[in-house]
Amino acid sequence: DTAVSQTPKYLVTQMGNDKSIKCEQNLGHDTMYWYKQDSKKFLKIMFSYNNKELIINETVPNRFSPKSPDKAHLNLHINSLELGDSAVYFCASSQVRDPGTENIQYFGAGTRLSVL
Amino acid sequence: EDQVTQSPEALRLQEGESSSLNCSYTVSGLRGLFWYRQDPGKGPEFLFTLYSAGEEKEKERLKATLTKKESFLHITAPKPEDSATYLCAVQARHGAGTALIFGKGTTLSVSS
Repeated sequence: DTAVSQTPKYLVTQMGNDKSIKCEQNLGHDTMYWYKQDSKKFLKIMFSYNNKELIINETVPNRFSPKSPDKAHLNLHINSLELGDSAVYFCASSQVRDPGTENIQYFGAGTRLSVL
Repeated sequence: EDQVTQSPEALRLQEGESSSLNCSYTVSGLRGLFWYRQDPGKGPEFLFTLYSAGEEKEKERLKATLTKKESFLHITAPKPEDSATYLCAVQARHGAGTALIFGKGTTLSVSS
């Protein structure tokens, strides 16, 4: 049973389209994240939610909008897709968000987005 | 600014040839240094967390160590199945929470 699952695994779409990526975790964690891994394999934080509350919002275009219907789900919606959005998007989850405590993050398998 | 630098970018080893991967970091108040393994087409898989200088952790052929400025991942007598990209990250405060700041990784290839 997959701990952090993302769908779809692959997403190929045209410029200007709107698309969503879904993430679900069954670990009972209270914090979830979206990371972007570019073509150079560099992983960078985009957003984080704790119990449905947005707590990290990095400098990303406002075409990207995360939504957390409950603490087990975190979706990523992208409007007006651009060529530069092509990347692998990873969802992750962890148990705590207190900066002073352990924060092991568990990652999904990733969604490879290709914008043509 | 919190930063993580890994070296080398790529490392080729023969089976059984031990070596070390380096991760140097600058962070305002280390709350944890993490090592992950990433296989092609998969998400990062957690290996170790280190919290204080002098700390060491081991798992099979891997051993992670930590100083005040860097961490090493020592690989003893590697096997082809150890081939992967190894990512180092530090836990840093971000907004109202924390996030992992990753290095660019070291891609290890072990040939038999």
